[in-house]
Amino acid sequence: QSVLTQPPSVSGAPGQRVTISCTGSSSNIGAGYDVHWYQQLPGTAPKLLIYGNSNRPSGVPDRFSGSKSGTSASLAITGLQAEDEANYYCQSYDSSLSEVFGGGTKLTVL
Amino acid sequence: QVQLQESGPGLVKPSETLSLTCTVSGGSIISYNWSWIRQPAGKGLEWIGRIYISGSTNYNPSLKSRVTMSVDTSKNQVSLKLSSVTAADTAVYYCARNHGYCTNGICYNSFDIWGQGTMVTVSS
Repeated sequence: QSVLTQPPSVSGAPGQRVTISCTGSSSNIGAGYDVHWYQQLPGTAPKLLIYGNSNRPSGVPDRFSGSKSGTSASLAITGLQAEDEANYYCQSYDSSLSEVFGGGTKLTVL
Repeated sequence: QVQLQESGPGLVKPSETLSLTCTVSGGSIISYNWSWIRQPAGKGLEWIGRIYISGSTNYNPSLKSRVTMSVDTSKNQVSLKLSSVTAADTAVYYCARNHGYCTNGICYNSFDIWGQGTMVTVSS
């Protein structure tokens, strides 16, 4: 069981907006620690999508955005495209002195 | 651009030590800190630990007693050793560059460059 909780799956039609939640606790997200997001296409390594709650690395489209509030964070994807179909993971730091990940969310583009 | 390549045995016997190496090309290893992360088939990601370029380390508390990381700056390599392995250690193992930054007095690490991963199976 992962320290950070994500929905197992979300789906949306091309062009739509979807959000993926990441819920933590007072020892990680709720303690104020930053959240980062990764996209993992089938058979490949994860790719950094968002760091520091809402910052996009160079080359990541602005269709991807992140936010954080309280003990939760969210990844939003607008203008959904077929190529966005992937697994998405959130990551934060926990006061147990460990980086922690969410269990992952599979995004299906209908 | 910076590339990471993991290497090591794909099969390790139970109770033995898993040993992997991550070779960094296209850039110097001394400018960043490095982590190992693993992913069992069909499951999520688990952070194993971090080695700072100073040589100091932070390990996941759940694996701390079995993990050793080291760095060889002359070869631009980072290494992972995991002892007393069981079937539960079967996973794809990734090395990743730490993207570190500090804000409001706290320093964070995301993982901005990953290797392609190497599959390690623990079986007799």
